Amino acid sequence: NAGVTQTPKFRVLKTGQSMTLLCAQDMNHEYMYWYRQDPGMGLRLIHYSVGEGTTAKGEVPDGYNVSRLKKQNFLLGLESAAPSQTSVYFCASATNSGANVLTFGAGSRLTVL
Amino acid sequence: SQKIEQNSEALNIQEGKTATLTCNYTNYSPAYLQWYRQDPGRGPVFLLLIRENEKEKRKERLKVTFDTTLKQSLFHITASQPADSATYLCALEGSGGGADGLTFGKGTHLIIQP
Repeated sequence: NAGVTQTPKFRVLKTGQSMTLLCAQDMNHEYMYWYRQDPGMGLRLIHYSVGEGTTAKGEVPDGYNVSRLKKQNFLLGLESAAPSQTSVYFCASATNSGANVLTFGAGSRLTVL
Repeated sequence: SQKIEQNSEALNIQEGKTATLTCNYTNYSPAYLQWYRQDPGRGPVFLLLIRENEKEKRKERLKVTFDTTLKQSLFHITASQPADSATYLCALEGSGGGADGLTFGKGTHLIIQP
Protein backbone atom coordinates (compact mmCIF):
# COMPACT_ATOMS: atom_id res chain seq x y z
CA ASN A 1 0.00 0.00 0.00
CA ALA A 2 1.92 3.02 -1.29
CA GLY A 3 -0.38 5.78 0.08
CA VAL A 4 0.32 9.06 -1.74
CA THR A 5 3.04 9.06 -4.39
CA GLN A 6 4.43 12.21 -5.97
CA THR A 7 6.55 12.42 -9.11
CA PRO A 8 9.05 13.79 -9.77
CA LYS A 9 10.83 14.23 -6.44
CA PHE A 10 13.18 16.90 -7.77
CA ARG A 11 13.09 19.16 -10.79
CA VAL A 12 14.98 22.20 -12.01
CA LEU A 13 13.27 24.47 -14.51
CA LYS A 14 14.21 27.62 -16.34
CA THR A 15 11.92 30.62 -16.14
CA GLY A 16 9.09 30.28 -18.64
CA GLN A 17 9.24 26.50 -18.94
CA SER A 18 6.22 24.37 -18.16
CA MET A 19 5.89 21.19 -16.19
CA THR A 20 3.39 18.92 -14.47
CA LEU A 21 3.61 17.36 -11.03
CA LEU A 22 1.76 14.10 -10.63
CA CYS A 23 0.10 12.89 -7.47
CA ALA A 24 -1.33 9.38 -7.19
CA GLN A 25 -3.14 7.83 -4.23
CA ASP A 26 -4.25 4.24 -3.79
CA MET A 27 -6.53 4.71 -0.77
CA ASN A 28 -9.71 5.49 -2.74
CA HIS A 29 -9.83 8.94 -1.17
CA GLU A 30 -12.32 11.45 -2.52
CA TYR A 31 -10.45 14.60 -1.55
CA MET A 32 -7.05 15.63 -2.87
CA TYR A 33 -4.93 18.72 -2.26
CA TRP A 34 -1.83 20.51 -3.47
CA TYR A 35 0.14 22.57 -0.95
CA ARG A 36 3.39 24.47 -1.25
CA GLN A 37 5.79 24.91 1.63
CA ASP A 38 8.25 27.77 1.84
CA PRO A 39 10.60 28.75 4.67
CA GLY A 40 8.84 31.04 7.11
CA MET A 41 5.51 30.68 5.30
CA GLY A 42 4.40 27.22 6.29
CA LEU A 43 2.08 25.10 4.18
CA ARG A 44 -0.25 27.00 1.86
CA LEU A 45 -3.07 25.46 -0.14
CA ILE A 46 -2.82 25.94 -3.91
CA HIS A 47 -5.78 23.97 -5.32
CA TYR A 48 -7.94 21.12 -4.17
CA SER A 49 -10.47 18.63 -5.46
CA VAL A 50 -13.45 17.08 -3.70
CA GLY A 51 -14.00 14.44 -6.35
CA GLU A 52 -13.21 13.20 -9.83
CA GLY A 53 -13.73 15.95 -12.38
CA THR A 54 -13.88 18.76 -9.79
CA THR A 55 -11.26 21.31 -8.79
CA ALA A 56 -11.26 24.50 -6.73
CA LYS A 57 -8.86 27.29 -5.84
CA GLY A 58 -7.07 27.46 -2.54
CA GLU A 59 -5.16 30.28 -0.90
CA VAL A 60 -2.42 30.73 -3.53
CA PRO A 61 -3.74 29.47 -6.92
CA ASP A 62 -2.18 32.02 -9.29
CA GLY A 63 0.24 30.56 -11.82
CA TYR A 64 -0.99 26.98 -11.33
CA ASN A 65 -3.60 24.77 -12.93
CA VAL A 66 -4.88 21.39 -11.83
CA SER A 67 -6.84 18.48 -13.19
CA ARG A 68 -8.54 15.45 -11.64
CA LEU A 69 -9.54 13.27 -14.55
CA LYS A 70 -9.26 10.08 -12.50
CA LYS A 71 -10.14 9.70 -8.86
CA GLN A 72 -6.69 8.45 -7.92
CA ASN A 73 -4.70 11.16 -9.71
CA PHE A 74 -4.34 14.90 -9.14
CA LEU A 75 -2.08 16.84 -11.48
CA LEU A 76 -0.54 20.24 -10.76
CA GLY A 77 0.64 22.21 -13.77
CA LEU A 78 2.89 25.22 -14.13
CA GLU A 79 2.36 26.74 -17.59
CA SER A 80 5.13 29.33 -17.37
CA ALA A 81 7.36 28.80 -14.37
CA ALA A 82 8.64 31.77 -12.38
CA PRO A 83 11.37 31.93 -9.72
CA SER A 84 8.66 32.70 -7.14
CA GLN A 85 7.38 29.17 -7.71
CA THR A 86 10.58 27.67 -6.33
CA SER A 87 9.24 25.63 -3.45
CA VAL A 88 8.53 22.20 -2.06
CA TYR A 89 5.16 20.92 -3.22
CA PHE A 90 3.13 18.46 -1.23
CA CYS A 91 0.13 16.50 -2.35
CA ALA A 92 -2.33 15.16 0.21
CA SER A 93 -5.53 13.15 0.19
CA ALA A 94 -8.39 12.49 2.59
CA THR A 95 -11.62 10.54 2.83
CA ASN A 96 -14.94 12.33 2.62
CA SER A 97 -16.22 10.89 5.88
CA GLY A 98 -15.64 12.35 9.30
CA ALA A 99 -12.78 14.69 10.12
CA ASN A 100 -10.49 15.70 7.31
CA VAL A 101 -7.28 13.86 8.25
CA LEU A 102 -4.69 14.34 5.52
CA THR A 103 -2.25 11.77 4.20
CA PHE A 104 0.71 13.51 2.56
CA GLY A 105 3.13 12.49 -0.11
CA ALA A 106 6.88 12.84 0.32
CA GLY A 107 7.06 16.12 -1.56
CA SER A 108 8.46 17.43 -4.84
CA ARG A 109 11.24 20.00 -4.70
CA LEU A 110 11.05 22.42 -7.59
CA THR A 111 13.69 25.02 -8.41
CA VAL A 112 13.03 27.66 -11.05
CA LEU A 113 16.12 29.48 -12.29
CA SER B 1 -8.96 36.82 8.63
CA GLN B 2 -8.27 33.40 10.09
CA LYS B 3 -4.90 33.05 11.74
CA ILE B 4 -2.96 30.25 13.44
CA GLU B 5 0.09 30.99 15.55
CA GLN B 6 2.73 28.59 16.72
CA ASN B 7 5.95 29.42 18.48
CA SER B 8 8.27 30.05 15.56
CA GLU B 9 11.42 29.72 17.62
CA ALA B 10 12.99 26.32 18.12
CA LEU B 11 12.16 24.64 21.40
CA ASN B 12 15.06 22.90 23.12
CA ILE B 13 14.16 20.28 25.70
CA GLN B 14 16.33 17.89 27.65
CA GLU B 15 15.72 14.21 27.09
CA GLY B 16 13.27 12.75 29.56
CA LYS B 17 11.47 16.03 30.20
CA THR B 18 8.01 16.99 28.96
CA ALA B 19 7.87 19.14 25.83
CA THR B 20 4.89 21.48 25.52
CA LEU B 21 4.02 23.17 22.24
CA THR B 22 1.38 25.86 21.82
CA CYS B 23 -1.08 26.57 19.05
CA ASN B 24 -3.21 29.72 19.20
CA TYR B 25 -5.84 30.69 16.68
CA THR B 26 -8.07 33.63 15.93
CA ASN B 27 -11.22 34.11 13.86
CA TYR B 28 -11.92 30.39 13.80
CA SER B 29 -14.62 28.27 15.33
CA PRO B 30 -13.19 24.87 14.39
CA ALA B 31 -15.02 21.63 14.95
CA TYR B 32 -11.67 19.95 15.48
CA LEU B 33 -7.95 20.62 15.61
CA GLN B 34 -5.15 18.39 14.38
CA TRP B 35 -1.44 17.96 15.06
CA TYR B 36 1.08 16.70 12.51
CA ARG B 37 4.76 15.84 12.70
CA GLN B 38 7.17 16.71 9.90
CA ASP B 39 10.72 15.41 9.59
CA PRO B 40 13.29 17.11 7.31
CA GLY B 41 12.73 16.24 3.66
CA ARG B 42 9.44 14.45 4.33
CA GLY B 43 5.74 15.16 4.23
CA PRO B 44 3.74 15.86 7.39
CA VAL B 45 2.36 12.85 9.22
CA PHE B 46 -0.88 12.95 11.20
CA LEU B 47 -0.55 12.45 14.95
CA LEU B 48 -3.70 13.39 16.81
CA LEU B 49 -7.11 14.97 16.32
CA ILE B 50 -9.18 16.57 19.06
CA ARG B 51 -12.79 17.69 18.67
CA GLU B 52 -14.30 20.88 20.04
CA ASN B 53 -16.25 18.97 22.69
CA GLU B 54 -13.14 17.16 23.94
CA LYS B 55 -10.89 18.76 26.52
CA GLU B 56 -8.02 16.30 26.24
CA LYS B 57 -6.83 13.45 24.01
CA ARG B 58 -3.99 11.01 24.64
CA LYS B 59 -1.98 8.62 22.49
CA GLU B 60 0.95 6.86 24.11
CA ARG B 61 3.34 9.64 25.23
CA LEU B 62 1.37 12.35 23.43
CA LYS B 63 -1.35 14.50 24.95
CA VAL B 64 -3.35 17.27 23.34
CA THR B 65 -5.65 19.76 25.03
CA PHE B 66 -8.15 22.03 23.35
CA ASP B 67 -9.57 25.15 24.98
CA THR B 68 -12.13 26.74 22.67
CA THR B 69 -12.60 29.66 25.06
CA LEU B 70 -8.92 30.58 25.01
CA LYS B 71 -8.70 29.48 21.35
CA GLN B 72 -5.65 27.44 22.17
CA SER B 73 -4.33 23.91 21.94
CA LEU B 74 -1.39 22.53 23.86
CA PHE B 75 0.59 19.54 22.59
CA HIS B 76 2.61 17.60 25.16
CA ILE B 77 5.25 14.93 24.68
CA THR B 78 6.12 13.23 27.95
CA ALA B 79 9.40 11.39 28.61
CA SER B 80 10.81 13.04 25.48
CA GLN B 81 13.44 11.27 23.39
CA PRO B 82 15.90 12.53 20.76
CA ALA B 83 13.78 10.68 18.17
CA ASP B 84 10.95 13.12 18.97
CA SER B 85 12.99 15.93 17.42
CA ALA B 86 10.99 17.25 14.47
CA THR B 87 8.74 20.11 13.43
CA TYR B 88 5.20 19.90 14.78
CA LEU B 89 2.34 21.51 12.91
CA CYS B 90 -1.05 22.53 14.20
CA ALA B 91 -3.91 22.48 11.68
CA LEU B 92 -7.51 23.65 11.56
CA GLU B 93 -10.26 23.07 9.06
CA GLY B 94 -10.95 25.79 6.53
CA SER B 95 -14.05 27.92 6.39
CA GLY B 96 -15.65 25.36 4.09
CA GLY B 97 -16.09 22.83 6.86
CA GLY B 98 -13.14 20.59 6.05
CA ALA B 99 -13.48 19.50 2.42
CA ASP B 100 -11.57 22.60 1.33
CA GLY B 101 -8.49 21.46 3.19
CA LEU B 102 -6.73 22.35 6.40
CA THR B 103 -4.98 25.57 7.30
CA PHE B 104 -1.63 24.94 8.96
CA GLY B 105 0.41 26.90 11.44
CA LYS B 106 4.04 27.50 10.52
CA GLY B 107 5.16 24.84 12.95
CA THR B 108 7.42 24.62 15.97
CA HIS B 109 10.83 22.99 15.61
CA LEU B 110 11.40 20.75 18.61
CA ILE B 111 14.91 19.62 19.55
CA ILE B 112 15.35 16.98 22.24
CA GLN B 113 18.87 17.05 23.55
CA PRO B 114 20.43 13.87 25.00
